[in-house]
Amino acid sequence: DAKTTQPPSMDCAEGRAANLPCNHSTISGNEYVYWYRQIHSQGPQYIIHGLKNNETNEMASLIITEDRKSSTLILPHATLRDTAVYYCIGGSGNTGKLIFGQGTTLQVKP
Amino acid sequence: ETGVTQTPRHLVMGMTNKKSLKCEQHLGHNAMYWYKQSAKKPLELMFVYNFKEQTENNSVPSRFSPECPNSSHLFLHLHTLQPEDSALYLCASSPGIRGGTDTQYFGPGTRLTVL
Repeated sequence: DAKTTQPPSMDCAEGRAANLPCNHSTISGNEYVYWYRQIHSQGPQYIIHGLKNNETNEMASLIITEDRKSSTLILPHATLRDTAVYYCIGGSGNTGKLIFGQGTTLQVKP
Repeated sequence: ETGVTQTPRHLVMGMTNKKSLKCEQHLGHNAMYWYKQSAKKPLELMFVYNFKEQTENNSVPSRFSPECPNSSHLFLHLHTLQPEDSALYLCASSPGIRGGTDTQYFGPGTRLTVL
C-alpha cells in the first residue's frame, strides 16, 4: 500500500480555489488515488478518486501527474463548510485497505 | 447519512460491561469495514468483511469481536474494554473487493468512552 505525504495544514480564502497537494511516489500500478475529507468528529466523506487520468465531479477535480508520483485536489470555490481534514490515500481494489495518514487540515477563512 | 448508519452514536461503558456497536448499509454493497480513530491519530483499519467472509483482522485484541450476519449488517461486540479503547469507531461499506476500484463510504461513527 502506497505511503502518501501531505502538508499538515493549509489556509484558503473563501471563494478562492483550494489546491491540496499529495506525494505518493511509492504508489503501484494498480493502486488508485483516493481523496476523503473529515469534518470534526464525523465520518470521512468520499470526494473523488483516480488512477491515471484527471477526474472531475461535482465536488472537486483531481489532477494526477503523468508519472503518478503526486496529485493535487482542487476545490474550485472554497466555502467555509470546506474546512476539514483532507486525506490522500493510495488504495488497492484487491485488498480493500485504505491506509489513512494525518492528512491536511484545510482552514477556509472569510 | 442514510447510506451507512451506525448505532448508538454515543456509548459510555465500564470496563466490565459488554456492549455491541451496530452498522447497517443501505447501498447494496458487499464489503464492510470497522475502523478505529483515537484522539489525534489517523484512522486505523480493524476488520474487513468481503461477501460476508472476514478477510482482514489487523491484529485487533480479542476483546473486540466482529460479526457480519449478512452483507447489510456489521456488528462489533465489545467486552472487558480498557480506557485506552475510548475512540471514534467508524463503519464503512464498499461495493465489493474484486480488484479495480472499490470506493468506501463511511458512517457517522460511534463515540465510545470506556470508564
